Amino acid sequence: GENVEQHPSTLSVQEGDSAVIKCTYSDSASNYFPWYKQELGKRPQLIIDIRSNVGEKKDQRIAVTLNKTAKHFSLHITETQPEDSAVYFCAGIGGADGLTFGKGTHLIIQP
Amino acid sequence: SQTIHQWPATLVQPVGSPLSLECTVEGTSNPNLYWYRQAAGRGLQLLFYSVGIGQISSEVPQNLSASRPQDRQFILSSKKLLLSDSGFYLCAWGRGTDTQYFGPGTRLTVL
Repeated sequence: GENVEQHPSTLSVQEGDSAVIKCTYSDSASNYFPWYKQELGKRPQLIIDIRSNVGEKKDQRIAVTLNKTAKHFSLHITETQPEDSAVYFCAGIGGADGLTFGKGTHLIIQP
Repeated sequence: SQTIHQWPATLVQPVGSPLSLECTVEGTSNPNLYWYRQAAGRGLQLLFYSVGIGQISSEVPQNLSASRPQDRQFILSSKKLLLSDSGFYLCAWGRGTDTQYFGPGTRLTVL
C-alpha cells in the first residue's frame, strides 16, 4: 500500500515569510494528492489538491508542486499570516481504502 | 450541496461503558464512508471504511466496530470502552478513492 512521509513535523516562520511543507510517497501509481488544514479543535479542511497530470497548481497564496519522478510533492504558502497557523496534512491515494495521510506539520506563524 | 453530520459533538464516558457514534451524509448517494481517530496532537488513524451498505473494512484490530445500516449512515460502536479509546473521532465521505470531506467530529473522553 501507499506510504506517505511528511516533513517537517513543526515549522515556525515569521509573519510575511514563506512556508514550505514536503511529502514523499511510495506508490508510483498514485495520481491524486490533497492537502488539508486543521485548526485547533476543528475538522481537517481540504485547501488544495493536485493530480498527477499537472506539475503545479496555485490558489492565491498557496501552491502545490508535484515531482512524479522523485515521488514528492510540496505545499507552498507565501506571505504567511497569523490565520495560517494550523496543522497541515498531506495525503496520497492508499488503494481501495482511500487516502493515506502524512503525520502532519504544525505550522506556527510568529508575529 | 453535500453535508456531513456527526453526533454527539462531545462525550464523556466511563471505562467499560458502551459507545455509539453516528455519522450521516446528505446530498449524495452511495458515498464511501470512513471513520478516523485522532489522538491529541497526533495524526489521522483510519479505523474503518465502507463502500456500500453492510460492507465494512477494518484497518486496525481494536475493540471498536462499525456498521452501515443505510446508504448515508455510518455508526461506530464499542461494547466496552477503554481509556485508550479517548480521542477525536472523525467521519468522512468521499467518491471512489478521491477527495474526502470530514464531518465536525466527536470528542470522546473515557474516564
